Amino acid sequence: EAGVAQSPRYKIIEKRQSVAFWCNPISGHATLYWYQQILGQGPKLLIQFQNNGVVDDSQLPKDRFSAERLKGVDSTLKIQPAKLEDSAVYLCASSLRPGTSVTDTQYFGPGTRLTVL
Amino acid sequence: AQSVAQPEDQVNVAEGNPLTVKCTYSVSGNPYLFWYVQYPNRGLQFLLKYITGDNLVKGSYGFEAEFNKSQTSFHLKKPSALVSDSALYFCAVRDDAGTASKLTFGTGTRLQVTL
Repeated sequence: EAGVAQSPRYKIIEKRQSVAFWCNPISGHATLYWYQQILGQGPKLLIQFQNNGVVDDSQLPKDRFSAERLKGVDSTLKIQPAKLEDSAVYLCASSLRPGTSVTDTQYFGPGTRLTVL
Repeated sequence: AQSVAQPEDQVNVAEGNPLTVKCTYSVSGNPYLFWYVQYPNRGLQFLLKYITGDNLVKGSYGFEAEFNKSQTSFHLKKPSALVSDSALYFCAVRDDAGTASKLTFGTGTRLQVTL
């Protein structure tokens, strides 16, 4: 079974530029998550999708971050414009059942390391 | 609000010795606890989880964790450490007190296993 795929693996941009990350979840997984992991910290949930609908985006900085999950499969996370403090690893995860299933395991992709100069 | 504490930034252990990585949690409802491992430049890999039932949970790569409700702890253990176990370990918790409960992570513990 293929895991969660993410691209690119690394991205370096200057502040105020735009950047987009792509995620392909495990086939058949209903729920997709985007996390931000700042160096030295645990991952923090940015947004959660169930199929193509947003379940939780309470921690997404909506003035600069946006995400979509068209057709309930792939997802894209965009930052526009980027700030220095956005430097982090952006992790995508997916789980089989709806996000309300608190016992369901989340499986993570390799992440995209973003450096904002 | 739910939270997780990993009190040790780093744990050092010699290969062949037992290891313990500590985790305590705070939730409003029933806790559902997870351990993940992160190798350099890799995503998080699932190790094990506690849902209900037996307090001793066995997971991947010989790891196990003990759920202790009275101490609100979920420590990760392995009887005999390997150098290849050196990595960053994260404890995480969800509860069932509300809808769409987030998976909340600790700050991570770096495990260093030496020969």
